[in-house]
Amino acid sequence: GAVVSQHPSRVICKSGTSVKIECRSLDFQATTMFWYRQFPKQSLMLMATSNEGSKATYEQGVEKDKFLINHASLTLSTLTVTSAHPEDSSFYICSAPLAGGLYNEQFFGPGTRLTVL
Amino acid sequence: AQSVTQLGSHVSVSEGALVLLRCNYSSSVPPYLFWYVQYPNQGLQLLLKYTSAATLVKGINGFEAEFKKSETSFHLTKPSAHMSDAAEYFCAAAYSSASKIIFGSGTRLSIRP
Repeated sequence: GAVVSQHPSRVICKSGTSVKIECRSLDFQATTMFWYRQFPKQSLMLMATSNEGSKATYEQGVEKDKFLINHASLTLSTLTVTSAHPEDSSFYICSAPLAGGLYNEQFFGPGTRLTVL
Repeated sequence: AQSVTQLGSHVSVSEGALVLLRCNYSSSVPPYLFWYVQYPNQGLQLLLKYTSAATLVKGINGFEAEFKKSETSFHLTKPSAHMSDAAEYFCAAAYSSASKIIFGSGTRLSIRP
């Protein structure tokens, strides 16, 4: 099956710094990628849809200036958490759909655990 | 609004017992439906998917799910639980081939020895 990777898997940073998380589709091209946030023992909450070559689409309540998304190529999307604060600590997961199918099967990355001190 | 509901945030069964995890969707139009499993600190792994080809869908690790339009349900079952099945399970739906996926709240499955 298709593989999606994320880097880093874990990151600890100080409050006020910015953190970049990469999401890569390793063996297929993805014009769209999705970014989710998951709090402990909770479900995945869609944050935004990353579109190659155009602006990301953010879900209601998600600050686009706080969570910067760049879809630089057909295999790479990045999420930058700017001026991170402890409440941004969470598990961030990306996914990419395999284009050309009859249904929206998405392949998920392994996730990135962000801890803001 | 379209939504996915999972009844029971935590289900505990004995090893060897039947596993039943419930999922209902809200839509007059049957969506594409998925079950994912998540182990601690890991991403999501697809267990199975419903794409209107067959109402009974078989997935990996012995799991299967049945789509029932009359009940707007897509419950996940496994005849005999194994200790390795302990994980978080998410039901999800997509309402078109290009739409975002909507996740249920998740059900944590525990297996008693």
